[in-house]
Amino acid sequence: NAGVTQTPKFQVLKTGQSMTLQCAQDMNHEYMSWYRQDPGMGLRLIHYSVGAGITDQGEVPNGYNVSRSTTEDFPLRLLSAAPSQTSVYFCASRTGVGGYTFGSGTRLTVV
Amino acid sequence: DAKTTQPPSMDCAEGRAANLPCNHSTISGNEYVYWYRQIHSQGPQYIIHGLKNNETNEMASLIITEDRKSSTLILPHATLRDTAVYYCIVRRPQGGSEKLVFGKGTKLTVNP
Repeated sequence: NAGVTQTPKFQVLKTGQSMTLQCAQDMNHEYMSWYRQDPGMGLRLIHYSVGAGITDQGEVPNGYNVSRSTTEDFPLRLLSAAPSQTSVYFCASRTGVGGYTFGSGTRLTVV
Repeated sequence: DAKTTQPPSMDCAEGRAANLPCNHSTISGNEYVYWYRQIHSQGPQYIIHGLKNNETNEMASLIITEDRKSSTLILPHATLRDTAVYYCIVRRPQGGSEKLVFGKGTKLTVNP
């Protein structure tokens, strides 16, 4: 049981490049979310999913796409990277009334 | 989701119990109390949650008052690795927002 696995752990992108941040969980959790955290700030919700095939926007969705074709995977796509997207990205999952299990994060720098 | 109030900082001696309080006087009947912590530069870590009854797991105990307006997270034997910011969150797990709002939390420093 690996929990929530995020890859890559570190990434440097050039402005305008696209990439996908991977997130996988092996706990059969129905809820999954993507957050970003900037220095000295709290978590901001980007997108979330309440089950396979269902996604919705959080508070800062612009510039990001998600899909949830399986229960296990919830990738986050950056369409055209911008310096403002430099951040630490966390994926998380939960089930029922349980708390969120977070991944270890992806540290993204856009230059 | 109900608002919570926590002290900004606390200190604890290594090996002693750390008792972290949280006020949530506007909590409604279907809202749970969740505790998370975040160690510097790491992802948030879920600790424990409860609705009405006291709860215990391998990490901590959660004591919720009978009127549910406050709670206390207890780390029974704090270690240096427990130094972190601890967040108390009140939310509805079903039908509520998926957005986690951590607030400012309590910075717990465990001293040798």
